[in-house]
Amino acid sequence: GDSVTQMEGPVTLSEEAFLTINCTYTATGYPSLFWYVQYPGEGLQLLLKATKADDKGSNKGFEATYRKETTSFHLEKGSVQVSDSAVYFCALRPQAGTALIFGKGTTLSVSS
Amino acid sequence: DAGVTQSPTHLIKTRGQHVTLRCSPISGHKSVSWYQQVLGQGPQFIFQYYEKEERGRGNFPDRFSARQFPNYSSELNVNALLLGDSALYLCASSLGRGTNTEAFFGQGTRLTVV
Repeated sequence: GDSVTQMEGPVTLSEEAFLTINCTYTATGYPSLFWYVQYPGEGLQLLLKATKADDKGSNKGFEATYRKETTSFHLEKGSVQVSDSAVYFCALRPQAGTALIFGKGTTLSVSS
Repeated sequence: DAGVTQSPTHLIKTRGQHVTLRCSPISGHKSVSWYQQVLGQGPQFIFQYYEKEERGRGNFPDRFSARQFPNYSSELNVNALLLGDSALYLCASSLGRGTNTEAFFGQGTRLTVV
């Protein structure tokens, strides 16, 4: 079945460091891909999305490109801030489905 | 505009009891989905309702049920609670049910079964 695999955390960085969180997926056809962020004690917030191959989603300095050939959707940010500390989830919605399928999440901790 | 609201925010129940969780979607949204998030894991899909009909069901036992009301709010019911049902239950609403439709999540209901 469809699935999402994320790099395991926690990821610990200093402020202004470069961030990469790897995400790969298994799915038939062309799913839509998403990154969600969850701050402590809160629900999920959509960070960015891409709905077709080679699309680049971007928001708040974060970027991810839908790579069909490598079935990947890696999250990147050039300079992280302490306020970026949260849990990040990669997710897909199958081409013919309704449910979001999530990875296990990656905890990011940024120190000043 | 109000976002997705869920109630209660926290709940403690005893094994074997029944629980009802509630969700109000964003105004104008007709689709509501429920997810279970066990500590340290990603959310797992339970149900989707669109226009008051069940449109999708995840791999959960029949103890889990849900419904959507004419005003598009929704309830998730869990019978015969087990310790393993302890989790954060998230509700998400969206305008439609298509692949590209953005889902907006509530803050969740933290259920603890003792």
